[in-house]
Amino acid sequence: SQTIHQWPATLVQPVGSPLSLECTVEGTSNPNLYWYRQAAGRGLQLLFYSVGIGQISSEVPQNLSASRPQDRQFILSSKKLLLSDSGFYLCAWATSTSGGTQYFGPGTRLTVL
Amino acid sequence: AQSVSQHNHHVILSEAASLELGCNYSYGGTVNLFWYVQYPGQHLQLLLKYFSGDPLVKGIKGFEAEFIKSKFSFNLRKPSVQWSDTAEYFCAVTPGGSYIPTFGRGTSLIVHP
Repeated sequence: SQTIHQWPATLVQPVGSPLSLECTVEGTSNPNLYWYRQAAGRGLQLLFYSVGIGQISSEVPQNLSASRPQDRQFILSSKKLLLSDSGFYLCAWATSTSGGTQYFGPGTRLTVL
Repeated sequence: AQSVSQHNHHVILSEAASLELGCNYSYGGTVNLFWYVQYPGQHLQLLLKYFSGDPLVKGIKGFEAEFIKSKFSFNLRKPSVQWSDTAEYFCAVTPGGSYIPTFGRGTSLIVHP
C-alpha cells in the first residue's frame, strides 16, 4: 500500500533562517506531488506541484521554492523565512489516472518567530 | 480560473441532527468533485468523490453528496450526525483531464453529544 511521510512534524524557526521540509511517498511510481499551505478558515492554497523529477510548477509567487530530486521525494525550501511563512504545510500525491483524487501527508506545522 | 465556494464556515449541531454542507463551483466544463475530511489530529482524507454516473454518491461513515449540474453544486449530507463527525470538511473540484484541484475554504463542523 502507498504511504506518504512528511518531516519534521513541527518546526520553529527565526525570521531570516532557511527552511527545508521533506515529503516522501512509498508504494507508487511517478506520482504527481503537491505542496499546500493550510491556513485556518482559508482552505488549502496550492503552492507547487510536480509531474516528474525536476519538473516544478509554481502556483503562487512567494518566498518559497520546491524541488523534486527523486521520483518520490518533494522538498519545500526557503532561503530566508518571513513571519508570513508561518502555517501548516501539507504534501499530497496523486496518480495521473486518479481523476484528481489526492492523498495527503500528516503535515508540518511551521512557526516563524 | 475555477473557484469553489463553501457557504457554511462554521456549523454546530447536536447529535442526531441532519447535516447539509453546501459547495458550489464555477467552471463550465466537465469536473470531478470531491469532499475531504480532516478529523482532529488526523490526515486530510477522502470522504467521497464523483466522476460520472449516478449523481448521488455515497461515501464513508454514512455521508452522501449529490451533484446537481444545473446548479454547479455538490452538497454533502448526512441524515444523523454523531459526535465523531466533528471535523473540518473541504470541497474540491478538478476540471476533467486536469490534475490541479481547487479547494473550498472548508467548513468546521462541531457536533455536541
